[in-house]
Amino acid sequence: DQQVKQNSPSLSVQEGRISILNCDYTNSMFDYFLWYKKYPAEGPTFLISISSIKDKNEDGRFTVFLNKSAKHLSLHIVPSPPGDSAVYFCAASGVRGAQKLVFGQGTRLTINP
Amino acid sequence: GAGVSQSPSNKVTEKGKDVELRCDPISGHTALYWYRQSLGQGLEFLIYFQGNSAPDKSGLPSDRFSAERTGGSVSTLTIQRTQQEDSAVYLCASSRRLASYEQYFGPGTRLTVT
Repeated sequence: DQQVKQNSPSLSVQEGRISILNCDYTNSMFDYFLWYKKYPAEGPTFLISISSIKDKNEDGRFTVFLNKSAKHLSLHIVPSPPGDSAVYFCAASGVRGAQKLVFGQGTRLTINP
Repeated sequence: GAGVSQSPSNKVTEKGKDVELRCDPISGHTALYWYRQSLGQGLEFLIYFQGNSAPDKSGLPSDRFSAERTGGSVSTLTIQRTQQEDSAVYLCASSRRLASYEQYFGPGTRLTVT
């Protein structure tokens, strides 16, 4: 049972344009959501997070939007330099702390020059 | 400061052999997590530690998998009688405390069972 889903395995975006990555979840008990970025042969690195009591969080070039009624979140990256090419994972955490993160399958973002 | 380190970075083993994977968390981080990523899949939670105890072992895929943590620091994940389906990248993460949502990951150990 995939509780966190990233339905787009890959996404290509022109350099300098906005990248929008999407994530859906099924468990309404999730109360915290995170985005991680992963380069080949490296571990994931934390990008940005959002609590379920908010609908938007912004940090520099990264903005995460949460739509609880639709159980959907998205990550907006503006602008998108070539260095942003990586695999992006959406993750969710349950009530009472992050004993574990439930990850989506990841979306490979390619920024084209 | 130093991040999470894992060793070995790559491990090739024959089916049926035992393997040990090591994780050194960030100094001072009390919580430690193990995940694995199979080819084309997302990260799958295996086990977490708060200090030296592991309250939740439900993510371990079989009784061939075990993990321990000593001194509230280094952790070892052991896989006995390895099978080909154990081939994956095994990732360790740590956080300042158990309820801290931001986990810091190591580079992983790529395990290949032949």
